[in-house]
Amino acid sequence: SQQGEEDPQALSIQEGENATMNCSYKTSINNLQWYRQNSGRGLVHLILIRSNEREKHSGRLRVTLDTSKKSSSLLITASRAADTASYFCATDGGGGSEKLVFGKGTKLTVNP
Amino acid sequence: DTAVSQTPKYLVTQMGNDKSIKCEQNLGHDTMYWYKQDSKKFLKIMFSYNNKELIINETVPNRFSPKSPDKAHLNLHINSLELGDSAVYFCASSLRDRENSPLHFGNGTRLTVT
Repeated sequence: SQQGEEDPQALSIQEGENATMNCSYKTSINNLQWYRQNSGRGLVHLILIRSNEREKHSGRLRVTLDTSKKSSSLLITASRAADTASYFCATDGGGGSEKLVFGKGTKLTVNP
Repeated sequence: DTAVSQTPKYLVTQMGNDKSIKCEQNLGHDTMYWYKQDSKKFLKIMFSYNNKELIINETVPNRFSPKSPDKAHLNLHINSLELGDSAVYFCASSLRDRENSPLHFGNGTRLTVT
């Protein structure tokens, strides 16, 4: 299975702290994507990193990718209560977005 | 608003019934999907359509039949509903020929089979 695995399954931090979530996958990829899901809502795309990239930034988000270890991490700096959500990584298995495979997610709780 | 919209948001029904979920996107995308999210938040692709043509069918029971009347709509019909069908079903869309096109999701339909 190509399925990604996020780690940890759940993370609880205080506002202002940084949150780091990890994702491991099994097959080769063209890109890896991170999505956020607020309670009762659909997934929202956060950031995409290509297989030839090692690091990417978007606002308070920093994503790293290590293709030799088949792993990625998502760092949220200076977290806010509004960052409370589940975060999923998704891999394309070397194909296109039409067959993204999602991990099981990390549930992040940011306490005010 | 540009979005992926699906209806209904909640669907409660009894075993054996037939039900449909509708999805529409006005993003100009050419590919649409149905994903199933179980109680443990595991999200799994069920179907994918590109320009009304089925391109992915992930070993979903025949009781599930997607229909795409045009590239902006992808409906999901479920026959003879079973308890195990209870889940949240998400519609999504993307641009197939655009490299690294992300998925845009609807807000889900929570199906409860009793």
